[in-house]
Amino acid sequence: QQQVKQSPQSLIVQKGGISIINCAYENTAFDYFPWYQQFPGKGPALLIAIRPDVSEKKEGRFTISFNKSAKQFSLHIMDSQPGDSATYFCAARSLYNQGGKLIFGQGTELSVKP
Amino acid sequence: GAGVSQSPRYKVTKRGQDVALRCDPISGHVSLYWYRQALGQGPEFLTYFNYEAQQDKSGLPNDRFSAERPEGSISTLTIQRTEQRDSAMYRCASSLATLQETQYFGPGTRLLVL
Repeated sequence: QQQVKQSPQSLIVQKGGISIINCAYENTAFDYFPWYQQFPGKGPALLIAIRPDVSEKKEGRFTISFNKSAKQFSLHIMDSQPGDSATYFCAARSLYNQGGKLIFGQGTELSVKP
Repeated sequence: GAGVSQSPRYKVTKRGQDVALRCDPISGHVSLYWYRQALGQGPEFLTYFNYEAQQDKSGLPNDRFSAERPEGSISTLTIQRTEQRDSAMYRCASSLATLQETQYFGPGTRLLVL
């Protein structure tokens, strides 16, 4: 059963534009929602994460918006740069029910055009 | 400092052979996770350890897959009687503790079963 749905599958944005990637989840026991960034040939690396007790978290050009009632969260990349071109994965975890394991979305391949 | 390392980086084997994939976590990290990542998909949880204890093996596809971490450091994922459907990228991640959310991923082992 797919527990985290991610969209879009791919995204093309012009340099300086805003990239938006969305995720929806089903399990209301999830208590931690990270976004991972993966460059070709590399392992995923944590980019930014949020817990459900806040609606937004910002770190530099990256912002997570979280809507608990809708069971959705999104990643916004402001002033997108060619160096942001990578695959982005949202994920979720339920520490109480499932321990530390992360449930990942399918990924979004972002391409930022110069 | 050194990150998570995995070996071999690439493994080509014939169907029916056994393979052993190794993960060396970041020094001092208590929790160690194994994921499998198909091309174009997000990582899928297989199993995880706290110290040497296997906490959750619910993601292992069948009894041909096993994992161990006998001294609470290096871990080995073993696949017996490999099948073509086992071909994938196998990733290891570690975290300081289960409650410490950030998981650091290794570069992965690309397994190809002919």
